[in-house]
Amino acid sequence: AQSVAQPEDQVNVAEGNPLTVKCTYSVSGNPYLFWYVQYPNRGLQFLLKYITGDNLVKGSYGFEAEFNKSQTSFHLKKPSALVSDSALYFCAVRDMQYNFNKFYFGSGTKLNVKP
Amino acid sequence: GAVVSQHPSWVICKSGTSVKIECRSLDFQATTMFWYRQFPKQSLMLMATSNEGSKATYEQGVEKDKFLINHASLTLSTLTVTSAHPEDSSFYICSARNLFRGLAGDLGTDNEQFFGPGTRLTVL
Repeated sequence: AQSVAQPEDQVNVAEGNPLTVKCTYSVSGNPYLFWYVQYPNRGLQFLLKYITGDNLVKGSYGFEAEFNKSQTSFHLKKPSALVSDSALYFCAVRDMQYNFNKFYFGSGTKLNVKP
Repeated sequence: GAVVSQHPSWVICKSGTSVKIECRSLDFQATTMFWYRQFPKQSLMLMATSNEGSKATYEQGVEKDKFLINHASLTLSTLTVTSAHPEDSSFYICSARNLFRGLAGDLGTDNEQFFGPGTRLTVL
């Protein structure tokens, strides 16, 4: 079965500091991994994805994520956090084995960036 | 490009009434649309997969007679919550896959889903 885990319900960071939002995955086959951001009462916005190739994936708004196969992780990072980055972040994996239409989402991590 | 809209953005209704939520892909054709439900402070749970011109595929535990899905065109899918009750109150989000064909005419498998802004349903 495919699944992702986000071990932190909340991450607090000061503006200007680097941020990391953690995600680990469990998949059968090759992982197709995604990060999405959700602002209050809004749908999800795509940030970045990993399918194959370079382990460091760059995405929208200065975010990047590092795919680590040995640790089965796909942590989201940003070198310098902004207050406007405060939102709910979801890691997701796409089921490429049984139903490639299906995404499995993590429980979400609330990022709080304080001025 | 790749914009998905939902209407209404929020709705309040009385228990026992039915509510229809529309999901539209504004600038692309979507053969497949998805309906998710999100409870407060929780993740998205896939309810059903909607394919244009065919019956929706529901996830285990989702009542198909309760949540009616219609996908009549490549740009519109609707979710109707029938005989709504307070426990149906939730945030409903749709998403759509962009129809993509590779050089060989095969459907692309790496095209991500584009999400709508969500619909907040409150049943009194």
